[in-house]
Amino acid sequence: GQNIDQPTEMTATEGAIVQINCTYQTSGFNGLFWYQQHAGEAPTFLSYNVLDGLEEKGRFSSFLSRSKGYSYLLLKELQMKDSASYLCAVRGAGGSYIPTFGRGTSLIVHP
Amino acid sequence: DVKVTQSSRYLVKRTGEKVFLECVQDMDHENMFWYRQDPGLGLRLIYFSYDVKMKEKGDIPEGYSVSREKKERFSLILESASTNQTSMYLCASDPGGTGGFGVTEAFFGQGTRLTVV
Repeated sequence: GQNIDQPTEMTATEGAIVQINCTYQTSGFNGLFWYQQHAGEAPTFLSYNVLDGLEEKGRFSSFLSRSKGYSYLLLKELQMKDSASYLCAVRGAGGSYIPTFGRGTSLIVHP
Repeated sequence: DVKVTQSSRYLVKRTGEKVFLECVQDMDHENMFWYRQDPGLGLRLIYFSYDVKMKEKGDIPEGYSVSREKKERFSLILESASTNQTSMYLCASDPGGTGGFGVTEAFFGQGTRLTVV
């Protein structure tokens, strides 16, 4: 089976940096995704990690350590529009490579 | 621009009704998924399909069935709607099959908020 944990809620100040952690226990590993979901909208893809290390994309970075079953999403220079839910998803082993989602972290950015 | 389209944004149905939720993707993707999303529970997989006429149960298939007669269309059916099926339903698709190093992220529809009264 698959177990994915992330904090339920985080708050941060506009302009700051925030790190959202995700730990996972899965039967096999074929990549980890981060999605952003604004209230009432569909999730949208942010990042993908399959090898250890940091992937940077503008203000957003994602890190993976496969040996520790750990990832984080780093958001820099926070803006009010970054207030959203952030979903960690892991694609396990097997022929279908179906991703399993964590429960999401609700990030509130305040002035 | 890639697109996954769900037939309705909001639906209100009565207990016991048969409900059809339709989803269409225009990306020629192999995999299609139906999730439900509830506060505090995140996205839970109901069913997925990896090819036409092929389907697999997800984590919470009870009370649901699916149909995939054409590659681009994946339907979720509530045979007899109940109040505990009130939820946000999200359809998604991805290219599937590659695994490994391929970035095969899922694309989501806008969601259908279903209320069963």
